[in-house]
Amino acid sequence: DAGVIQSPRHEVTEMGQEVTLRCKPISGHDYLFWYRQTMMRGLELLIYFNNNVPIDDSGMPEDRFSAKMPNASFSTLKIQPSEPRDSAVYFCASSSDRVKGYTFGSGTRLTVV
Amino acid sequence: AQTVTQSQPEMSVQEAETVTLSCTYDTSESDYYLFWYKQPPSRQMILVIRQEAYKQQNATENRFSVNFQKAAKSFSLKISDSQLGDAAMYFCALKTSYDKVIFGPGTSLSVIP
Repeated sequence: DAGVIQSPRHEVTEMGQEVTLRCKPISGHDYLFWYRQTMMRGLELLIYFNNNVPIDDSGMPEDRFSAKMPNASFSTLKIQPSEPRDSAVYFCASSSDRVKGYTFGSGTRLTVV
Repeated sequence: AQTVTQSQPEMSVQEAETVTLSCTYDTSESDYYLFWYKQPPSRQMILVIRQEAYKQQNATENRFSVNFQKAAKSFSLKISDSQLGDAAMYFCALKTSYDKVIFGPGTSLSVIP
């Protein structure tokens, strides 16, 4: 199994631009999570899906952030418009069992200049 | 509310020695799961060990073991025979009846040759 696949690995964009981060979970995993990691705030859960349905998006910072999961093998996290304070590492993780830990992707390092 | 605290921002250990990383948590639930994740410089999040709260026996995975004290809400990680590859950020994490995992702020472990 290739694990959780995220793209791109690095993204540099200008303030005001739209950014789309992508994630392919492990086949058969029915939970998908988006986390953001910064030095100041650590790892924060943004949103998670179960069977492609968003369950809890209370961690999404503001309306500029949106996430979709059109099918079981693909999810996107979009920021529009992006701001410098959005600079962080964004992780996607998936799980097949409520009692087990997650498998994380390699993360996307986003820099907004 | 659920919280996870790691009081040691940084730790160091001599190669081949033993080190213990501390973690305390708070939850009002009786059924939950605890995890330790490792994040090396590659930034990949790796699950190290998992503990079910209903199990009294401490989990072990090769050189990694935990000391789970449920009454004290303490969950420490012991790394025996430390190796250079153990150098990383270590995150303690809590999962309750909700599906999301809450992470502590992390402990940066250095291994001295």
